[in-house]
Amino acid sequence: AQSVTQLGSHVSVSEGALVLLRCNYSSSVPPYLFWYVQYPNQGLQLLLKYTSAATLVKGINGFEAEFKKSETSFHLTKPSAHMSDAAEYFCAVSPSPGVTGTASKLTFGTGTRLQVTL
Amino acid sequence: EPEVTQTPSHQVTQMGQEVILRCVPISNHLYFYWYRQILGQKVEFLVSFYNNEISEKSEIFDDQFSVERPDGSNFTLKIRSTKLEDSAMYFCASSEEVGVRNQPQHFGDGTRLSIL
Repeated sequence: AQSVTQLGSHVSVSEGALVLLRCNYSSSVPPYLFWYVQYPNQGLQLLLKYTSAATLVKGINGFEAEFKKSETSFHLTKPSAHMSDAAEYFCAVSPSPGVTGTASKLTFGTGTRLQVTL
Repeated sequence: EPEVTQTPSHQVTQMGQEVILRCVPISNHLYFYWYRQILGQKVEFLVSFYNNEISEKSEIFDDQFSVERPDGSNFTLKIRSTKLEDSAMYFCASSEEVGVRNQPQHFGDGTRLSIL
């Protein structure tokens, strides 16, 4: 079974500071990894995905994440936080897909609420 | 940009009643999913659907739940006899293709289901 663990249910940073949201995964098969963001009263928006190509993945809004197999991690970073980054962030894992026709469910972490202060 | 649309945004229902949550996936997508998020908890997978049949379902998705694609555009989740613990935000998602391209799942804004 696959799982992800997000360390820190709440993270607070100052505007302009580095954002680091942690995610560790557990998977017996090569995983695909995702970060989603959820703004208040909205759905889940894909930030970025890792699908076994480049280990450093760049996403939207200046976010990026690095897949480190040796550490089973996929931490999300952004060099400089903006007030508009305040939201809940979810790390998710799915098995790397097999043949077409096999849907791949996402398994989510518990989420990290990012607060950005002035 | 095309998006997944869910209706209604909020549904209030008496315990024991049937409820149908509706979703319009992105038009060229082939894979459909339902997830739920109980308040304060993580997003949980319920069911995936492809080629007019269920691909996978979780242990949450018991006989009270069913999914249907009644026409070429809608994808519905029915809860036959609602319980208090069914209160949650329900998200529909769709993806274009699974396979070597592993297109990501696109989510709707959710339907908040409140059982009284």
